[in-house]
Amino acid sequence: VMTQSPATLSLSPGERATLSCRASQSLSDNLAWYQQKPGQAPRLLIYGASIRATGIPLRFSGSGSGSEFTLSISSLQSEDFAVYYCQQYNYWPPMNNFGQGTKLEIK
Amino acid sequence: EVQLLESGGGLVQPGGSLRLSCAASGFTFNDYAMSWVRQAPGKGLEWVSGISGSGETTYDADSVKGRFTMSRDNVKNTLHLQMNSLRVEDTAVYYCAKLSGRPPWYFDIWGRGALVTVSS
Repeated sequence: VMTQSPATLSLSPGERATLSCRASQSLSDNLAWYQQKPGQAPRLLIYGASIRATGIPLRFSGSGSGSEFTLSISSLQSEDFAVYYCQQYNYWPPMNNFGQGTKLEIK
Repeated sequence: EVQLLESGGGLVQPGGSLRLSCAASGFTFNDYAMSWVRQAPGKGLEWVSGISGSGETTYDADSVKGRFTMSRDNVKNTLHLQMNSLRVEDTAVYYCAKLSGRPPWYFDIWGRGALVTVSS
C-alpha cells in the first residue's frame, strides 16, 4: 500500500514543494512519480526513484529508497499546479500500486 | 513520436459489455508489455490489466478478474480490453499505457483515455 502526504499542498509560485510517498514494504528504488493536470492523462516525471523522464525540467527531483520517497519541485511554476501520484513497481502484478495522490494548488 | 489512442468508450447498462481498443504507433509494439489503468470520476488511479509483449501472459486486478479480458494484435499494433458483466463501479476513464522496456515495469507513455459510463 502506498501512502502520500499531504493530501493537498497550497503554495505560491516560486516556492519549493516537497511531496512524500511511503510504502508499506521495501521497494528498493522501484518508485515512479506521475503528474496529472485536469482533463489530461498522467505523465511520467520520475522513475527509479530519482531519474527524470525525457523532457522533464531540472526543477523536478526525486529521492529516497526502501519505503520512504520524496518528490521535490525547486521553484514552482504556474504549470506545476496539478495532482501528483507515486507508484511502486517493485511487485508485479501491481495491485494497489498507486498512492492516493497529492493535489498541489496555488495559494 | 510514440502515441497511444483509445477508442470504444461509451454508455452501457449494468450487466452489459463493451470493448475498448488502443492503437499504438511510434515504437515496436510487440517489444513492450502494455496495461490498462482506470480512473473513476474524481478518484485516483487504479491498475486494471496487463499483457506481455507476445500476448501470451495476462494479469488482472482482483476487481475485474473473470469479467475483463485483455488481448493484443501485434500485426495491427492494437490493444483491446473486453469488458463483460459491467458494474456501476466500473465507470471510469480507461487509459492505455505502455510499460517500460524491461521489468520491473513502470508506465512510461499514456494514452488520452476513453470514458466508460455504466448506468441504467
